[in-house]
Amino acid sequence: GAVVSQHPSWVICKSGTSVKIECRSLDFQATTMFWYRQFPKQSLMLMATSNEGSKATYEQGVEKDKFLINHASLTLSTLTVTSAHPEDSSFYICSATGPGTGWTEAFFGQGTRLTVV
Amino acid sequence: SQQGEEDPQALSIQEGENATMNCSYKTSINNLQWYRQNSGRGLVHLILIRSNEREKHSGRLRVTLDTSKKSSSLLITASRAADTASYFCASLGSNYQLIWGAGTKLIIKP
Repeated sequence: GAVVSQHPSWVICKSGTSVKIECRSLDFQATTMFWYRQFPKQSLMLMATSNEGSKATYEQGVEKDKFLINHASLTLSTLTVTSAHPEDSSFYICSATGPGTGWTEAFFGQGTRLTVV
Repeated sequence: SQQGEEDPQALSIQEGENATMNCSYKTSINNLQWYRQNSGRGLVHLILIRSNEREKHSGRLRVTLDTSKKSSSLLITASRAADTASYFCASLGSNYQLIWGAGTKLIIKP
């Protein structure tokens, strides 16, 4: 299957700082990428959908000024958590899909565990 | 996005027994996928079943899909301790977004 690489795998940052998470599709063109968040013992919750070259569409309740998403190329999307606070600590996962996958499957990155102290 | 539902929420069985998890969704789908997640780790894709398929097998996994009932089941046969994980279903809708179930936490007792 197609490969999606997410970086970093884990990050610890101080409260008030910003953290950038990268999601790369390594062997296919990802015209659409999704960003999810997972709290402990809960399912994934979709945060936003980004199409290459367009502004991201955020789910209700997700602050777009806090979670900045950039999808400037067909292989890279970034999620920046700005002015992070301890309540932003969570597991963040990206997934990617596109015509190269036949639009039949979304491939996931390994996830990033963010801890804000 | 609307979250699908999975049951049971948690399942504990003896090694060697079969484990069955169910998933329901709300809208028409392109396909339905099952994923596995070990504690604190990323998702691993297990199997995909398309809307025009009724059953699919992969090793010890068997997935069924009933589009009339908007439900799917995942059967793991001859369970092993290493199968202990959380299992999620995700339905791919017409807008290519995955709608996730709440997950089933499976514990296999040795």
